[in-house]
Amino acid sequence: SAVISQKPSRDICQRGTSLTIQCQVDSQVTMMFWYRQQPGQSLTLIATANQGSEATYESGFVIDKFPISRPNLTFSTLTVSNMSPEDSSIYLCSVETGVQNYGYTFGSGTRLTVV
Amino acid sequence: GNSVTQMEGPVTLSEEAFLTINCTYTATGYPSLFWYVQYPGEGLQLLLKATKADDKGSNKGFEATYRKETTSFHLEKGSVQVSDSAVYFCALRKPGSARQLTFGSGTQLTVLP
Repeated sequence: SAVISQKPSRDICQRGTSLTIQCQVDSQVTMMFWYRQQPGQSLTLIATANQGSEATYESGFVIDKFPISRPNLTFSTLTVSNMSPEDSSIYLCSVETGVQNYGYTFGSGTRLTVV
Repeated sequence: GNSVTQMEGPVTLSEEAFLTINCTYTATGYPSLFWYVQYPGEGLQLLLKATKADDKGSNKGFEATYRKETTSFHLEKGSVQVSDSAVYFCALRKPGSARQLTFGSGTQLTVLP
């Protein structure tokens, strides 16, 4: 299965600033998914990123707040813009791997605290 | 739409006790079903999965059977260990072009020695 390197693993940021999270996959994948896990909560999909096209955002998430880049088939970034304390969460990227024996691999997550 | 309803937690058990974490889903067609585990301070790891009705996924002593008639995918383990303490998430992927996972709310399991 694919291996994802996600960074940073954690950060503490001032409100009003932006943070860019990177995910590098060790193989080419069509879709990459970005999730948010608020404290004590489940995972919520932010957007799906395909290479060469704009990301598709879920209800409640907008491109101005969470711009995503997908420059090639192994890399993606998620930016959390103009942060507020409510953005404090774990952010995870994920890819679908395999064909007949498929699954989903997750990055180790970025724990963001906004102060 | 698609949704996953998971047993409310937290769940606290003694070592060697029997574990059941209930999961039911709502989806059209035949979704694929997953259980993920998140150990303290770590990322999500796939525990087991099932892709069609009556399939049984199993791993590390955990089992879950895809029950189409009851739209359920309950997680079971016959004898839990302290090392099983973690948060468990049930998830589905619906058939079709939208390939993302939909997660349940998660169940915190604590196993006491």
